[in-house]
Amino acid sequence: AQKVTQAQTEISVVEKEDVTLDCVYETRDTTYYLFWYKQPPSGELVFLIRRNSFDEQNEISGRYSWNFQKSTSSFNFTITASQVVDSAVYFCALSESLNSGGGADGLTFGKGTHLIIQP
Amino acid sequence: AAGVIQSPRHLIKEKRETATLKCYPIPRHDTVYWYQQGPGQDPQFLISFYEKMQSDKGSIPDRFSAQQFSDYHSELNMSSLELGDSALYFCASSPGGTSATGHEQYFGPGTRLTVT
Repeated sequence: AQKVTQAQTEISVVEKEDVTLDCVYETRDTTYYLFWYKQPPSGELVFLIRRNSFDEQNEISGRYSWNFQKSTSSFNFTITASQVVDSAVYFCALSESLNSGGGADGLTFGKGTHLIIQP
Repeated sequence: AAGVIQSPRHLIKEKRETATLKCYPIPRHDTVYWYQQGPGQDPQFLISFYEKMQSDKGSIPDRFSAQQFSDYHSELNMSSLELGDSALYFCASSPGGTSATGHEQYFGPGTRLTVT
């Protein structure tokens, strides 16, 4: 069965510090997809990034970067020069291609990391 | 850009009552998903639909049912409500149909259900 582990329950840093959120996953599938979502205090879930299992290239988007390593089953997320607006709960999620024949598989989320950026 | 629309945004029900939540996907998205997020918890996948057919099933209680209509909107019907059903219910949509797995799912703002 698929599983996502976010070992860091809560992280608190001072503004402008860099911070890395860890995500480790388990899957028996060779084709799978990894995601990060942000949930600010307002409650909505905001899509940040998707990565498929065949693409191990790291990605950078502004102050955000993602490090995908299949060898360690990890998909870590780094925020550079953090800002107060980055304060939120961040979820890592996984979907496999073989869960159902219908093709619209649900996401399995980790427990989330509550990131607090102090001014 | 248009987003996923959910209604109502807030709902208060008593135990043993029924509730219906509605979801309108992003235009041209043909797949919808339902998730339940309890307080301080991660979202739990309930069920998904493509072309009015159930596609994947998660931890949806037997008291709940859902369907997708020809205009792609979806409804989650909840009966015999229990206190433990109090949660934030998200609908998400994605394009891709039978190959929707792996597409990013865009979430609506959620419906906060409180059962008293």
